[in-house]
Amino acid sequence: EAQVTQNPRYLITVTGKKLTVTCSQNMNHEYMSWYRQDPGLGLRQIYYSMNVEVTDKGDVPEGYKVSRKEKRNFPLILESPSPNQTSLYFCASSLGWTGLNSPLHFGNGTRLTVT
Amino acid sequence: AQKITQTQPGMFVQEKEAVTLDCTYDTSDPSYGLFWYKQPSSGEMIFLIYQGSYDQQNATEGRYSLNFQKARKSANLVISASQLGDSAMYFCAMRERNNAGNMLTFGGGTRLMVKP
Repeated sequence: EAQVTQNPRYLITVTGKKLTVTCSQNMNHEYMSWYRQDPGLGLRQIYYSMNVEVTDKGDVPEGYKVSRKEKRNFPLILESPSPNQTSLYFCASSLGWTGLNSPLHFGNGTRLTVT
Repeated sequence: AQKITQTQPGMFVQEKEAVTLDCTYDTSDPSYGLFWYKQPSSGEMIFLIYQGSYDQQNATEGRYSLNFQKARKSANLVISASQLGDSAMYFCAMRERNNAGNMLTFGGGTRLMVKP
């Protein structure tokens, strides 16, 4: 089944403890991205990647890192999480980024709480 | 300025009636696409419908249709014959040709509640 898989679904951690949220897609998609969702703000892009070893900042990159060493994986790293990073996180992928009508395929989300 | 505005934070609709969810957008790019996504309480994001800026006809997908008024920069989602399973958050999103990196810019969402 074609899908984007994020893990974990739920994560509670403490301020300053490094964590990684994994994301993997099995559709051979070139484009991958991370979003965070906060009430009233919709989804905002954190980082994106147009292909292996090509990553760039989105609208809200502070406090996050990503890597794209393989096409299928795009982990999100929080080196020193803070309470303002408590949010619902989505990984998404798309076959390409040149066609306007290419929809994003989303993972099921990771709900992160930082205390 | 907000690129995507959804002015209805929450809406009620009676089961079997039609409902319109509003979306206005702001762009100077002549080439863009507009998307609607549904987010049920389980949290996943489900793609519903797409409208391209050069499409002559309004998009339709089953019970979903998009009322695209280009001059007004609006892309309202119409759900016909509402069902209880339509209760969810709905997000309007835009993709601009000249902003390849950010695939989608989202509005704040509208929570739709269908009453039996």
